[in-house]
Amino acid sequence: KNEVEQSPQNLTAQEGEFITINCSYSVGISALHWLQQHPGGGIVSLFMLSSGKKKHGRLIATINIQEKHSSLHITASHPRDSAVYICAVGYYGGSQGNLIFGKGTKLSVKP
Amino acid sequence: EPEVTQTPSHQVTQMGQEVILRCVPISNHLYFYWYRQILGQKVEFLVSFYNNEISEKSEIFDDQFSVERPDGSNFTLKIRSTKLEDSAMYFCASSVGRTRRTYGYTFGSGTRLTVV
Repeated sequence: KNEVEQSPQNLTAQEGEFITINCSYSVGISALHWLQQHPGGGIVSLFMLSSGKKKHGRLIATINIQEKHSSLHITASHPRDSAVYICAVGYYGGSQGNLIFGKGTKLSVKP
Repeated sequence: EPEVTQTPSHQVTQMGQEVILRCVPISNHLYFYWYRQILGQKVEFLVSFYNNEISEKSEIFDDQFSVERPDGSNFTLKIRSTKLEDSAMYFCASSVGRTRRTYGYTFGSGTRLTVV
């Protein structure tokens, strides 16, 4: 069964802390996505990657294809980073858009 | 920055009624998708749409669901006879295309459907 597992489920951090959220998957993938879901429910795409590392501002995403593992890092965390972070994968054999989603990691950054 | 727009943001409907959820994808995008998220659960893929036809659909997307691109801008999800278990947040998304792997997906802000 195709699965995407995220850890931790919940994460509370103090402002300024370095944060890591992990994602493991069980199938060969064409791409992995990191998404941010705001408290109001809207989803924003943060990264789409199939190898290596990507950086955008204070966010860094890495992927290790051999280990079927990805991490999302947030440097110098801020209360506005509080959201649910979702890992999703597009798997080989699936069409464009047929993503398997993780349950999400709820991040709360305290001032 | 271009956005995917969804309307309405919240819809309440009686069980058995038909609902149409509307989406305006980004204008130069070629692939369109619908997802749903039941409260407290994972986001789930419903359907992908390209070149005016369904590319793939999940087992959730049964005969009560249909999608349409009635004109050059709108992309709609119709639920023919709503059930209580259809209550969820429905997200539309679009992407440029398969070959533009460096670009991700753009999601709309969702329509919360409540079936009573």
